[in-house]
Amino acid sequence: GIQVEQSPPDLILQEGANSTLRCNFSDSVNNLQWFHQNPWGQLINLFYIPSGTKQNGRLSATTVATERYSLLYISSSQTTDSGVYFCAASTGGGNKLTFGTGTQLKVEL
Amino acid sequence: DTGVSQNPRHKITKRGQNVTFRCDPISEHNRLYWYRQTLGQGPEFLTYFQNEAQLEKSRLLSDRFSAERPKGSFSTLEIQRTEQGDSAMYLCASSSWTSGGANTGELFFGEGSRLTVL
Repeated sequence: GIQVEQSPPDLILQEGANSTLRCNFSDSVNNLQWFHQNPWGQLINLFYIPSGTKQNGRLSATTVATERYSLLYISSSQTTDSGVYFCAASTGGGNKLTFGTGTQLKVEL
Repeated sequence: DTGVSQNPRHKITKRGQNVTFRCDPISEHNRLYWYRQTLGQGPEFLTYFQNEAQLEKSRLLSDRFSAERPKGSFSTLEIQRTEQGDSAMYLCASSSWTSGGANTGELFFGEGSRLTVL
């Protein structure tokens, strides 16, 4: 099956800093999603982005499908951005997502 | 439109007991997925339904696990004879999928059911 790798595994930022999270995947994808997992465990949808670029407030994402990677940009980070960010991708039928191991982000004052 | 709802949110049980989790998907979503997440890992796919049909099961889904979606709406995941290794967060997701690509198939997750087996 498809392999999904995320980097960096851990990231500590000062409030107001910018960051880039990377997701590499091993095959062509028909679905790619970015999630933020809150402290209670719920996965919050950030982007559905199998290709192209999207922006939502301070967050934006780009997927270059031909080169099999996706990037999540966080600008002007806030303490509420802390948590685990997951990239997940699927290929073929079923649309079942394979998750990476996540990036643990901590934003400090 | 409410999101994906899961019950119970937390379950503590003794080894050997049976447990059942329920998932109510977003209304009119025809696909429903179950995932399991252990500490420090990403969620892992267990099984999925399209309407009432169970279309795929992961090798992670041992014989002690059974999932149903009898009327194509809510789903249950039952674990029989629980073991300590079953302790995890069980996540349910739903999506709307039609042939021809009218929908994206984006998955939306519930808050999860956390199982602790003593």
